[in-house]
Amino acid sequence: AQKITQTQPGMFVQEKEAVTLDCTYDTSDPSYGLFWYKQPSSGEMIFLIYQGSYDQQNATEGRYSLNFQKARKSANLVISASQLGDSAMYFCAMREGYAGNNRKLIWGLGTSLAVNP
Amino acid sequence: EAGVAQSPRYKIIEKRQSVAFWCNPISGHATLYWYQQILGQGPKLLIQFQNNGVVDDSQLPKDRFSAERLKGVDSTLKIQPAKLEDSAVYLCASSLGGGPAKTQYFGPGTRLLVL
Repeated sequence: AQKITQTQPGMFVQEKEAVTLDCTYDTSDPSYGLFWYKQPSSGEMIFLIYQGSYDQQNATEGRYSLNFQKARKSANLVISASQLGDSAMYFCAMREGYAGNNRKLIWGLGTSLAVNP
Repeated sequence: EAGVAQSPRYKIIEKRQSVAFWCNPISGHATLYWYQQILGQGPKLLIQFQNNGVVDDSQLPKDRFSAERLKGVDSTLKIQPAKLEDSAVYLCASSLGGGPAKTQYFGPGTRLLVL
């Protein structure tokens, strides 16, 4: 079973509007971390935002916020006031547990976002 | 603070040739990762180092891929001999540690094309 599911292969948004990229996850571990990364066409993977499973508040970083709904196991990324430079692939990833140092990041398949002028 | 450095940025080789990639992590980051990302997919972890020790190389094709981090700082990943299916972006990342809250920071990647 997929541990990280990103159901939107591609999304379009108008410049200056907000957009939500979906991510659902599956784990039985009470301790986990959720990450969003941006990958522009240049190929570099850019860290955007992190949410810990015990964090009480939704994470925010500038124009990025994470809509964390623990009971639904969803961690959607919200980008406010979209800019042309936001056009990229966006990956959701999860890391489980505190036991040991060798837990892999589990990646979704990504969502391609295109911002229209 | 300098980010993760990788070289070369691009490499084109013929199948059966050898190739090596270099990575220098963020200063002070004990954990280093090599990923392979095939077009249209998410990254796949090849190997994870904690200082100069390997903690996970379960997905490394050891018959042709090797990696080392001798002094616990920079690292090299080698493919020998290369196959067509090795065409991908090779990403290096580093983090302060390996726990779930430890963010991985990535380098610019090396795009490999095997002809």
